[in-house]
Amino acid sequence: DSGVTQTPKHLITATGQRVTLRCSPRSGDLSVYWYQQSLDQGLQFLIQYYNGEERAKGNILERFSAQQFPDLHSELNLSSLELGDSALYFCASSGGAGAYNEQFFGPGTRLTVL
Amino acid sequence: GDSVTQMEGPVTLSEEAFLTINCTYTATGYPSLFWYVQYPGEGLQLLLKATKADDKGSNKGFEATYRKETTSFHLEKGSVQVSDSAVYFCALIGYSSASKIIFGSGTRLSIRP
Repeated sequence: DSGVTQTPKHLITATGQRVTLRCSPRSGDLSVYWYQQSLDQGLQFLIQYYNGEERAKGNILERFSAQQFPDLHSELNLSSLELGDSALYFCASSGGAGAYNEQFFGPGTRLTVL
Repeated sequence: GDSVTQMEGPVTLSEEAFLTINCTYTATGYPSLFWYVQYPGEGLQLLLKATKADDKGSNKGFEATYRKETTSFHLEKGSVQVSDSAVYFCALIGYSSASKIIFGSGTRLSIRP
């Protein structure tokens, strides 16, 4: 158990809809990272927040957004969903701001868009 | 930009066999290199890392040596177990990738009893 929790575990929705994925980092960790894992794109970094501020951005679509709240939990919002957004979404946390710090991954949220 | 290339899977071995999973990278300067492991139904876990040339990372019987001259970070284990069955990801963080970790495509390893 990494100490990172993600909800929900599974999500099934329709094209055009909007969903919110939630992540609680390990106690004391200030950084939260979001990743997308799909069969065709592999594992891709989406975005990082550190202590409430956006720190780094990867291959995140404009339809996607994220935020980190004062209690350090984070939410990833996916809107205008397309079939290709079906994937496993992972959250990771670390103590420091730099990606060189060891990241601890949650179990993931599996999103299916029908 | 920075990139990681690892051998295609799946790799199937018998228990106690020797394992090598190849990983090569493209990056400017001296990136930090990582191996992550993903067991079925779980998130990724850091397996080992190396931050400078000739460093050897090791953990749970796995080893990988940072080879600057061949831009490689191959993962090895002398005697695999059924419990090592998982997907292994090579990854790097480099100067041009800033705070972003770049993952390889992953190699699925299956160990037969």
